[in-house]
Amino acid sequence: QKEVEQNSGPLSVPEGAIASLNCTYSDRGSQSFFWYRQYSGKSPELIMSIYSNGDKEDGRFTAQLNKASQYVSLLIRDSQPSDSATYLCAANTGGFKTIFGAGTRLFVKA
Amino acid sequence: SQTIHQWPATLVQPVGSPLSLECTVEGTSNPNLYWYRQAAGRGLQLLFYSVGIGQISSEVPQNLSASRPQDRQFILSSKKLLLSDSGFYLCAWSMAATNEKLFFGSGTQLSVL
Repeated sequence: QKEVEQNSGPLSVPEGAIASLNCTYSDRGSQSFFWYRQYSGKSPELIMSIYSNGDKEDGRFTAQLNKASQYVSLLIRDSQPSDSATYLCAANTGGFKTIFGAGTRLFVKA
Repeated sequence: SQTIHQWPATLVQPVGSPLSLECTVEGTSNPNLYWYRQAAGRGLQLLFYSVGIGQISSEVPQNLSASRPQDRQFILSSKKLLLSDSGFYLCAWSMAATNEKLFFGSGTQLSVL
């Protein structure tokens, strides 16, 4: 069964620190990878997408992809209390089905 | 810009009652539409997706059904709800050209009692 695995956390970091979120996926055919942020009681919001090995930066967010290791990560620099949320990792093999991980809860302490 | 509307926001229904959740998308044509369910502490589970009017693909066999009567309207239904149907239901859309980036509605928290 195709899976996306994440540490459920919670991951707690002080304000201003770097938060590092990780995920692994089982389907080597996965081509596209995504990070969604989900505040409690709200719907997921797409924050990053990555398709090639290496790093992709967008503001305070950096997504990293290593297809050989089947590993995706998200770094959040200068973490803010407003970054406190659950972060969902997702993988798509090119079809209509995107597989989501269960999410990592992040707490940023002021 | 594109927007997606989903209602109701919360719903409490007795076991055995029917269900109808509706979702509409504005600002785009021929979107791919999806229904996901999120159980507490779990990842999102794809229930149905649709690439066009009347075209529905089911991912998980269950007592739910979906319909797409119009290009930008997607409906999730059940004739008789089960306790296990409780969860957070999310409608989403993606551009037809790229199936990948999903944009979610605000969700419906369904409690079956």
